[in-house]
Amino acid sequence: QKEVEQDPGPLSVPEGAIVSLNCTYSNSAFQYFMWYRQYSRKGPELLMYTYSSGNKEDGRFTAQVDKSSKYISLFIRDSQPSDSATYLCAMSDDKIIFGKGTRLHILP
Amino acid sequence: ETGVTQSPTHLIKTRGQQVTLRCSSQSGHNTVSWYQQALGQGPQFIFQYYREEENGRGNFPPRFSGLQFPNYSSELNVNALELDDSALYLCASTRGRETSYEQYFGPGTRLTVT
Repeated sequence: QKEVEQDPGPLSVPEGAIVSLNCTYSNSAFQYFMWYRQYSRKGPELLMYTYSSGNKEDGRFTAQVDKSSKYISLFIRDSQPSDSATYLCAMSDDKIIFGKGTRLHILP
Repeated sequence: ETGVTQSPTHLIKTRGQQVTLRCSSQSGHNTVSWYQQALGQGPQFIFQYYREEENGRGNFPPRFSGLQFPNYSSELNVNALELDDSALYLCASTRGRETSYEQYFGPGTRLTVT
């Protein structure tokens, strides 16, 4: 079992829809949980990070961590075509482990 | 833009050659990490440098080595290149080794080994 599992997609949704992106993990030592957005031919861009369990909101983005289920989510409200990118989850104990990324397409 | 720069943008090398990639960290950041990202994969941690010392290493062989300089710029060196080394190489900087959850990535160097 890989330490971090993420559905690679692609995921296609219409503009304005709520997007749900998820990752599961196996290492209970992870304490920080991050979401990055990566546009084609660019480096990853940090969207938000969460410490331990709970929710965090930043504009249209909400991150959720459920440590009991070893499951994290990123929700995007009112999705826009500019949100089309690959979304990477990442987690850390003493080093950072990334998921494979989910390719998201927002259809105008 | 994150303020992290990398050079060169693209590079083509032949199997068996050596390559040096460069990274300039964001101002005020003293910790840099290097990652390898193969096509369709997430970034894989190579190593981290904090104040010019290696501060953690992923599952990469010794032919991957690095340096960090007093101005916190850094280099990734790869010897005896193999075809599987073809990837996007990313560096990321943070304020300190305890804040790796808040990394800022450069645009990457795309290395092709033929």
